[in-house]
Amino acid sequence: QVQLVESGGGVVQPGRSLRLSCTASGFTFSNYTMHWVRQAPGKGLEWVAVISFDGSNLYCADSVKGRFTISRDNSKNTLYLQMNSLRGEDTAVYYCARDLRGSPSYYFAYWGQGTLVTVSS
Amino acid sequence: SSELTQDPAVSVALRQTVKITCQGDSLRGYYATWYQQKPGQAPILVIYGENNRPSGIPDRFSASNSGNTASLTITGAQAEDEADYYCNSRDSSGYPLFGTGTKVTVL
Repeated sequence: QVQLVESGGGVVQPGRSLRLSCTASGFTFSNYTMHWVRQAPGKGLEWVAVISFDGSNLYCADSVKGRFTISRDNSKNTLYLQMNSLRGEDTAVYYCARDLRGSPSYYFAYWGQGTLVTVSS
Repeated sequence: SSELTQDPAVSVALRQTVKITCQGDSLRGYYATWYQQKPGQAPILVIYGENNRPSGIPDRFSASNSGNTASLTITGAQAEDEADYYCNSRDSSGYPLFGTGTKVTVL
């Protein structure tokens, strides 16, 4: 079955960097568009970034553009989110999600359990 | 800016029907997608496209759209349907935008 396991979260000071990973199994990772979605404590969902199946197309939400970078290593079945210049408002649970289809449909069909990032001094 | 507005909370008696609404200009051009999230868990996809349910989602969940309003209907609500529900569509750039969320309580 499809499994997505995020890691790399933790407590980080404002202005510092963190890299999240999402390891996939149970499907052919290299065939699917992948996403990051976050949820601040007690708040709603916010889409963060998307990357195409081959990594050639990627895009980040305006709220993180220029600070966050999404990438993937299909040889390792792993999705990444490099987060730089972190701010308090980036505090959230970060979920990786698999698209329903290979090309981006923006239907988040499978989700990981999430990893908590806390930005605090 | 693009927004998707949902009622913060609704309640429904066990085995009765509840409709959750989502309003926003982007819904005139895109169908809403619906997600269910229970406390401490990741969201799950409930409805996508015009009215499609992924495998494993009960047929008591259905969706409809009219103008700038999308609706998720639970017909014969069960205790396990108690959760937060989020609609999703696109912002003005064509990228995903989530609604504000609705907490559904089953009485």
